[in-house]
Amino acid sequence: DAGVTQSPTHLIKTRGQHVTLRCSPISGHKSVSWYQQVLGQGPQFIFQYYEKEERGRGNFPDRFSARQFPNYSSELNVNALLLGDSALYLCASSLRGDTNLANYGYTFGSGTRLTVV
Amino acid sequence: DQQVKQNSPSLSVQEGRISILNCDYTNSMFDYFLWYKKYPAEGPTFLISISSIKDKNEDGRFTVFLNKSAKHLSLHIVPSQPGDSAVYFCAASAGTASNTGKLIFGQGTTLQVKP
Repeated sequence: DAGVTQSPTHLIKTRGQHVTLRCSPISGHKSVSWYQQVLGQGPQFIFQYYEKEERGRGNFPDRFSARQFPNYSSELNVNALLLGDSALYLCASSLRGDTNLANYGYTFGSGTRLTVV
Repeated sequence: DQQVKQNSPSLSVQEGRISILNCDYTNSMFDYFLWYKKYPAEGPTFLISISSIKDKNEDGRFTVFLNKSAKHLSLHIVPSQPGDSAVYFCAASAGTASNTGKLIFGQGTTLQVKP
């Protein structure tokens, strides 16, 4: 069974551009979350979606948006890119979005490395 | 506001000895705590978790201890193996209170196990 898949694995964008990152959760998982990991720091929560509805939003500007599709895959969009958006963007999936964490935690993908120049 | 802190950026231990990784938190609403391991170029991998109603959880070589009064948890790895060398993240969730799966991560501790 495939794990969490993210695409692309790497990309380079110019300041001011827009980027779309994609995530396919583990089959049967209905919750997808997005995290940003800046070098030397722990992952920081951006969004959580469960059954195609936004369940939570972290402290990120409105330039960041996301959505979840009927097949539970998800997209993260970032507009007007800044140099500070350079980071590893991680997608995580789980069966549910709350207490399931206690037993299984999230399953993370390998991430998309975004470099803004 | 760093709600989850891992104050030791790095730790080096000898193979076969115990590794102890520490984590402190400030939010008393956290009800689950998790440890993740991360290798370069990979996503974090879930290791072990503990509910706030317990003070210890064990899984093979990995044991997590929770001291709620001190708002402190630790991960013990016994015996340590060179393959354990990775970055370890402590994470916390207030899932029951927030009805989300939002995890708050510490900064990570890089563990090096020397042969």
